[in-house]
Amino acid sequence: ELKVEQNPLFLSMQEGKNYTIYCNYSTTSDRLYWYRQDPGKSLESLFVLLSNGAVKQEGRLMASLDTKARLSTLHITAAVHDLSATYFCAVDPGTYKYIFGTGTRLKVLA
Amino acid sequence: DGGITQSPKYLFRKEGQNVTLSCEQNLNHDAMYWYRQDPGQGLRLIYYSQIVNDFQKGDIAEGYSVSREKKESFPLTVTSAQKNPTAFYLCASMGFGYTFGSGTRLTVV
Repeated sequence: ELKVEQNPLFLSMQEGKNYTIYCNYSTTSDRLYWYRQDPGKSLESLFVLLSNGAVKQEGRLMASLDTKARLSTLHITAAVHDLSATYFCAVDPGTYKYIFGTGTRLKVLA
Repeated sequence: DGGITQSPKYLFRKEGQNVTLSCEQNLNHDAMYWYRQDPGQGLRLIYYSQIVNDFQKGDIAEGYSVSREKKESFPLTVTSAQKNPTAFYLCASMGFGYTFGSGTRLTVV
């Protein structure tokens, strides 16, 4: 069974701190996506990682992909309240449908 | 601007009633998808379509039906057979990654 696991599921952190969200997957894939979802809203694309060693950065968020370890990370630097949201990773196994992780609910405390 | 439009934003269904959720895209994407999201949960795939006049069941297709008569449109019908339809429904299309619509929140009254 194809699985995508994220941890932690819930993350409460202080403003200004750093933290990493992990996304492990069980299938071979060279493509991984990160999305953000605000409460009651749809999913917004954050990063597309297309190859082993890919690293993308946008503001305080940085995503990386290690296809050999089947692991992607989303690193948060100096968190601010506006980053509070649920973050999903999704893997493209080449079957026309992505497999989504369970989501990580992030709460940044002032 | 290209995108995906879902309507309505909120929908209320009475017991035993069928309701249809609309999803339209002008991105010229071949593949389209319907997902269900329950509160605090992840996304579960209901149906997907790779091309016009063809669609496949996802993981939770029971109680739902779809059609794909046009490339731009992929409506989802929630039938009376779906006993617990209250959820947030998301439509997506695939180009370079998924693009999601804004969602429809369905509530049983």
